[in-house]
Amino acid sequence: QVQLKESGPGLVQPSRTLSLTCTVSGFSLTSYGVSWVRQPPGKGLEWIAAIWSGGSTDYNSALKSRLSISRDTSKSQVLLKMNSLQTEDTAMYFCARSGYYWYFDFWGPGTMVTVSS
Amino acid sequence: NIVLTQSPASLAVILGQKATISCTASESVNKFGINLMHWYQQKPGQLPKILIYNEFSRAPGIPARFSGDEAELNFTLTIEPVEADDVATYYCQQGLTFPLTFGSGTKLEIK
Repeated sequence: QVQLKESGPGLVQPSRTLSLTCTVSGFSLTSYGVSWVRQPPGKGLEWIAAIWSGGSTDYNSALKSRLSISRDTSKSQVLLKMNSLQTEDTAMYFCARSGYYWYFDFWGPGTMVTVSS
Repeated sequence: NIVLTQSPASLAVILGQKATISCTASESVNKFGINLMHWYQQKPGQLPKILIYNEFSRAPGIPARFSGDEAELNFTLTIEPVEADDVATYYCQQGLTFPLTFGSGTKLEIK
């Protein structure tokens, strides 16, 4: 069955770089897109970045200069890097699958990232 | 960017009655005759779940109590009759253009 699972460091110091991994199973990254979506504690959902089935990428314009999304199809993984982290980046980070109409039909359980010294 | 204005921010409904949540898009989200507006439910402490995609199509396993509609860029999620298990925050999301955007959410409570 379709599954996604995020992994990350949990705690990151301010100004450092965050690296997150989304490992998927039950589908191919060359057939579906994958996005990263985050949710600060008690707040709403914010789309961050996406990688299409063909490999092209899109980013939240407000965060674009700090972001990089890539994939390793041999490992069924999507990677997200975000640099210059600030306390405002503290959030639950989800990866989610999308098809042609860009809605998220399957989500990972999320990984909490806390930015603190 | 397409801005989605969602209202109300919170809503209290009597069990068995109707809940109506609105999401107004700043511009068209239509692609080849399909409105790429999607709705999610997020229960406390859980991850979001797709309810409705492409304006009115229910995701697998979603009961007919949940329905979507549109009138002049104003999209509506209706839940009728409301059940206790529907306590959650509901979000709209457009899938037409990047950056993908979400509404700010509507918290549904039982009165």
